Amino acid sequence: KNQVEQSPQSLIILEGKNCTLQCNYTVSPFSNLRWYKQDTGRGPVSLTIMTFSENTKSNGRYTATLDADTKQSSLHITASQLSDSASYICVVRGGGGGGADGLTFGKGTHLIIQP
Amino acid sequence: DSGVTQTPKHLITATGQRVTLRCSPRSGDLSVYWYQQSLDQGLQFLIQYYNGEERAKGNILERFSAQQFPDLHSELNLSSLELGDSALYFCASSVNRDRGPNTGELFFGEGSRLTVL
Repeated sequence: KNQVEQSPQSLIILEGKNCTLQCNYTVSPFSNLRWYKQDTGRGPVSLTIMTFSENTKSNGRYTATLDADTKQSSLHITASQLSDSASYICVVRGGGGGGADGLTFGKGTHLIIQP
Repeated sequence: DSGVTQTPKHLITATGQRVTLRCSPRSGDLSVYWYQQSLDQGLQFLIQYYNGEERAKGNILERFSAQQFPDLHSELNLSSLELGDSALYFCASSVNRDRGPNTGELFFGEGSRLTVL
């Protein structure tokens, strides 16, 4: 069964600090992995997409990594800001298609940045 | 602004009632998805439509139904409402012939918050 596990479930850090969120998946075959940011009470917005051949990709202060061999991804946030407080959702797309375009959602990591 | 419009933004109703949530996808997007998010929970996939036809079904209750119309907007109907149906309901859209290959990116609306009292 395709699964996406995220850790930690929640995280509290001080403004200006760095943090790393983890995503482990069992989706096979693999097509791509996407990180979404969901502000409280808002719809998720895509931060970055990782394909099989990509190891690292940056989007401003966000850096995503992918290890397709171990089926792990991480999202590193540098110099955190109060506006980074949100849930971060890992979504893996399977190459075999299927329901909802083969998308499997993680439950998300709830990140709180304290001043 | 994702380009996906959901109405109403907030809805308060009583148990046993029926409500309809509406979604207008991004211009030209053919696929519409419905997700349910209960308090502090992840997004639960309900149902997907593609160009008017049902494409995939997730954990959608029999009391819930949906459809996609010829103009591609979609409606989610929730009936015999229970307290546990209180949640944020998100619509997302994707798959646009004019915007390149489908990478699986979903564009979410701002959600409809349903409160059942």
